[in-house]
Amino acid sequence: QKEVEQDPGPLSVPEGAIVSLNCTYSNSAFQYFMWYRQYSRKGPELLMYTYSSGNKEDGRFTAQVDKSSKYISLFIRDSQPSDSATYLCAMRGSSGGSYIPTFGRGTSLIVHP
Amino acid sequence: GAGVSQSPSNKVTEKGKDVELRCDPISGHTALYWYRQSLGQGLEFLIYFQGNSAPDKSGLPSDRFSAERTGGSVSTLTIQRTQQEDSAVYLCASSLGPGPQDDEQFFGPGTRLTVL
Repeated sequence: QKEVEQDPGPLSVPEGAIVSLNCTYSNSAFQYFMWYRQYSRKGPELLMYTYSSGNKEDGRFTAQVDKSSKYISLFIRDSQPSDSATYLCAMRGSSGGSYIPTFGRGTSLIVHP
Repeated sequence: GAGVSQSPSNKVTEKGKDVELRCDPISGHTALYWYRQSLGQGLEFLIYFQGNSAPDKSGLPSDRFSAERTGGSVSTLTIQRTQQEDSAVYLCASSLGPGPQDDEQFFGPGTRLTVL
């Protein structure tokens, strides 16, 4: 079992839909959680960065962390065709030099007009 | 300002040849990471440089892989005697530092390596 599990999709939704992307993990030491967006043939770019449990909102994006269930989510409201990309979750511990995040495989999202 | 740049953007080589991939991080970033991304496999950590500390090489898959970072800036990833399974996109990222306020990683566009 991988440390971080993420369904690769593809997930296809109509424009305007609410999208839910999820990751599960097994390492209880993970404290910092990130979501990256990667367009085709580009490097990933950071979307959301959260610490421990709770919610964080930024525009149409909401990141949610449930450490008790080892489950994180990214919600996209009013999805747009420009949101079509691969979304990678990543997470890491808090100390001891474990600054290198562990990434999920990524979920491919397609938002069609 | 300029982001992370990588060269070449594409590299096709024959099995058994050596290749060098270059990464220019964002100026002032002390941390530099190399990852490998294969189709549908996510990002696989290879090596991490932080300032003048010894690099974390724990992700390098074999002794055919090596990397250096000169002057705390430019980094080169070298793959010797390439194999077909080395075909992947090699991504470089840099961050201000390792701490929780500074470790946002900025990625380059990657080098797509194809080994024939």
